Amino acid sequence: DAGVIQSPRHEVTEMGQEVTLRCKPISGHDYLFWYRQTMMRGLELLIYFNNNVPIDDSGMPEDRFSAKMPNASFSTLKIQPSEPRDSAVYFCASRGVNTEAFFGQGTRLTVV
Amino acid sequence: AQSVTQLDSQVPVFEEAPVELRCNYSSSVSVYLFWYVQYPNQGLQLLLKYLSGSTLVESINGFEAEFNKSQTSFHLRKPSVHISDTAEYFCAVRGTGFQKLVFGTGTRLLVSP
Repeated sequence: DAGVIQSPRHEVTEMGQEVTLRCKPISGHDYLFWYRQTMMRGLELLIYFNNNVPIDDSGMPEDRFSAKMPNASFSTLKIQPSEPRDSAVYFCASRGVNTEAFFGQGTRLTVV
Repeated sequence: AQSVTQLDSQVPVFEEAPVELRCNYSSSVSVYLFWYVQYPNQGLQLLLKYLSGSTLVESINGFEAEFNKSQTSFHLRKPSVHISDTAEYFCAVRGTGFQKLVFGTGTRLLVSP
């Protein structure tokens, strides 16, 4: 397996634009997590899914953020409209029932 | 809820010296404990984990960590570091029966010649 795949690796966008981050989890993993990493706040869990169903989105900062998992092999994190304070590295991770979490390489988002 | 404290934001050390990165956790339930390593511009990679059984766990590249329930600690140690160990190290906890993995703020290990 190629591991957790995220795209794009880097994204630069202007304030107010919509941004979509993509994640392909490891095949067979039941859980998918979206994290955000910043210098100020470290690694924060934004939302996680179990069997494609959102279970806990309490970490989503505000309504501008939304996440979907239409099937077991794909998830998106969308920010609309984007703001400079959204600049961060966004990680996707997946986990099986009895495995540890495996992380993608991350998407570095810069909002100017 | 669970929480993790990594008191040292940065640990400078010379090559071949021993190192200890400290991690303390808080939880009202039993826990699983993890150390992840992050190299520059990379994702997080699992270094080692404690799930149950022996309280001393080891990684393939010489790191070890010991689960101490009474002190609620899971410190990471290596007897002799290499330049290539320079990275950020994150301690994480997950309560049994919970799905969230909660991370500490990370410790940057800087190994110099």
